[in-house]
Amino acid sequence: TQLLEQSPQFLSIQEGENLTVYCNSSSVFSSLQWYRQEPGEGPVLLVTVVTGGEVKKLKRLTFQFGDARKDSSLHITAAQPGDTGLYLCAGGRPDNYQLIWGAGTKLIIKP
Amino acid sequence: EAGVAQSPRYKIIEKRQSVAFWCNPISGHATLYWYQQILGQGPKLLIQFQNNGVVDDSQLPKDRFSAERLKGVDSTLKIQPAKLEDSAVYLCASSLGSGQGGMKTQYFGPGTRLLVL
Repeated sequence: TQLLEQSPQFLSIQEGENLTVYCNSSSVFSSLQWYRQEPGEGPVLLVTVVTGGEVKKLKRLTFQFGDARKDSSLHITAAQPGDTGLYLCAGGRPDNYQLIWGAGTKLIIKP
Repeated sequence: EAGVAQSPRYKIIEKRQSVAFWCNPISGHATLYWYQQILGQGPKLLIQFQNNGVVDDSQLPKDRFSAERLKGVDSTLKIQPAKLEDSAVYLCASSLGSGQGGMKTQYFGPGTRLLVL
């Protein structure tokens, strides 16, 4: 069974600090997606990475796909209260259409 | 462009009762997904439709859950009878196609929060 483990499960930091959250697996994925889910809403796609070693930036968010395509990280610079939410990673299985979802990192940014 | 619509937003029922959820995907999206998200967990795929055909329902508890997408547009998910452990958020998502390896972007609705007492 393919699993995606996210760490930490919960993170509460002050506005302006930097943070990194991780998404790890022992399996290879064809792609890795990061979503943010706010309370009372569905997940919203932030980025898709497909190439081992790929780095994508979205304003203050930096996403990296591991060289072996088994893991990924999300780094936020100078976190803001608007970054608060549940960050989910989802890996695309190479053999079919399915997404394997992690349990998420709940992030709280305090003003 | 209108997003994925779901109703109701909240539902409270007693165990052994029945409940139905409705989803209207983004216009033109051929693929529709129903997920169950239990508090503290990531979404779990229950069923995936391509137009009006079922692509994957391997994780759907078929003794109590059913879903249909008769005209290839909107969809309903039903639970009959409900159990306490069915308390969760039920998310509907749609995409233009299923893609390979999860490449197609899935657009999610706001979800229906179900509480079974």
